[in-house]
Amino acid sequence: DAGVIQSPRHEVTEMGQEVTLRCKPISGHNSLFWYRQTMMRGLELLIYFNNNVPIDDSGMPEDRFSAKMPNASFSTLKIQPSEPRDSAVYFCASRTGPSYEQYFGPGTRLTVT
Amino acid sequence: GENVEQHPSTLSVQEGDSAVIKCTYSDSASNYFPWYKQELGKRPQLIIDIRSNVGEKKDQRIAVTLNKTAKHFSLHITETQPEDSAVYFCAATDNYGQNFVFGPGTRLSVLP
Repeated sequence: DAGVIQSPRHEVTEMGQEVTLRCKPISGHNSLFWYRQTMMRGLELLIYFNNNVPIDDSGMPEDRFSAKMPNASFSTLKIQPSEPRDSAVYFCASRTGPSYEQYFGPGTRLTVT
Repeated sequence: GENVEQHPSTLSVQEGDSAVIKCTYSDSASNYFPWYKQELGKRPQLIIDIRSNVGEKKDQRIAVTLNKTAKHFSLHITETQPEDSAVYFCAATDNYGQNFVFGPGTRLSVLP
């Protein structure tokens, strides 16, 4: 298996632009997590899905952030409009039901100028 | 909700020495405690985990101990090597056992 796949790996955009991050979980995994990592705040959970259904989005910073999981093999995290303080590494992780272990993707490094 | 604290934030050891990182958690219902290693520019990767019905677990040079009464768990690395240099994160499951709450991380440097 290729593991969790994220795209793009790097994104540089200007303030006010829309940003869409993509994630493909490991085949057969039924839970998907979006995290944000910064030096100041560490690894923060933004939202997670079970069987494509959002379970907890309390970590989503504000209405500018939205996430979808239209099917078991694809999820998006969208920021609109983006701001410089959104600059971070965004990780997607997936997990299969019987196991607690989360497998992380390579991350997307987002820079908003 | 769950709160995980981790100490120290940075740790430097000489190659061959042992390293110990400690974490505390707040939710007595937490039942799974993983440790992730993150090398510079890479993704976090699981190195060892422990469930609440076990007090200690070992895997070669690494071990984890859990004290449920005191709500703390520790990572022990023996015979450290330069390739052990990384940021280590502990985590605990949340109230519902669905998700992790991560500690702030410990930057370990192993000096040759």
